Amino acid sequence: QKEVEQNSGPLSVPEGAIASLNCTYSDRGSQSFFWYRQYSGKSPELIMSIYSNGDKEDGRFTAQLNKASQYVSLLIRDSQPSDSATYLCAVNAGAFNAGGTSYGKLTFGQGTILTVHP
Amino acid sequence: DTEVTQTPKHLVMGMTNKKSLKCEQHMGHRAMYWYKQKAKKPPELMFVYSYEKLSINESVPSRFSPECPNSSLLNLHLHALQPEDSALYLCASSQGPGDYEQYFGPGTRLTVT
Repeated sequence: QKEVEQNSGPLSVPEGAIASLNCTYSDRGSQSFFWYRQYSGKSPELIMSIYSNGDKEDGRFTAQLNKASQYVSLLIRDSQPSDSATYLCAVNAGAFNAGGTSYGKLTFGQGTILTVHP
Repeated sequence: DTEVTQTPKHLVMGMTNKKSLKCEQHMGHRAMYWYKQKAKKPPELMFVYSYEKLSINESVPSRFSPECPNSSLLNLHLHALQPEDSALYLCASSQGPGDYEQYFGPGTRLTVT
């Protein structure tokens, strides 16, 4: 079974600190990786996608991917109280129909609850 | 614009009712998805439509019936649901059916009484 594991949390950091969220996945053939932010009672919001080994930066967010170690992480710099949410790591592990064609299937981790306190 | 819209926002239905959830996107995306999310759990894939054809059914009970009338619309028809089907139902879309970013709508919170 294809699995995605996230650090269990909850994670609490002070305002202005760096929050580090980690994720490992079991399917070595996975090609695309995503981080979603989900506020309580809302739907998941895509904040980062990464497809190649290395770092990808977007504003205060940096995603890191290491396919050899099957590891993906999200760093949030200068954390703000508005960053308090559940962060979901998602891996596109593929779903195959009867004809063998692969379709996008996001397998999510259980999520890490992040609280940024003033 | 990466907006996916869903209606209704909330739905309460009895176990003998028939209702439908609607999803719409105007991004020209060619893949659309239905996910189900229970409280404090991650979303779980139900169906994948690719180029308006049902491509993946993740062994979903027949009381859930998806429909894709055109490339912008996705419906989920509900009939004879059980209380355990109460959840947040999420629609998502992506540029294509492969390794593309998926964008979620706001969801429909369904309560089955």
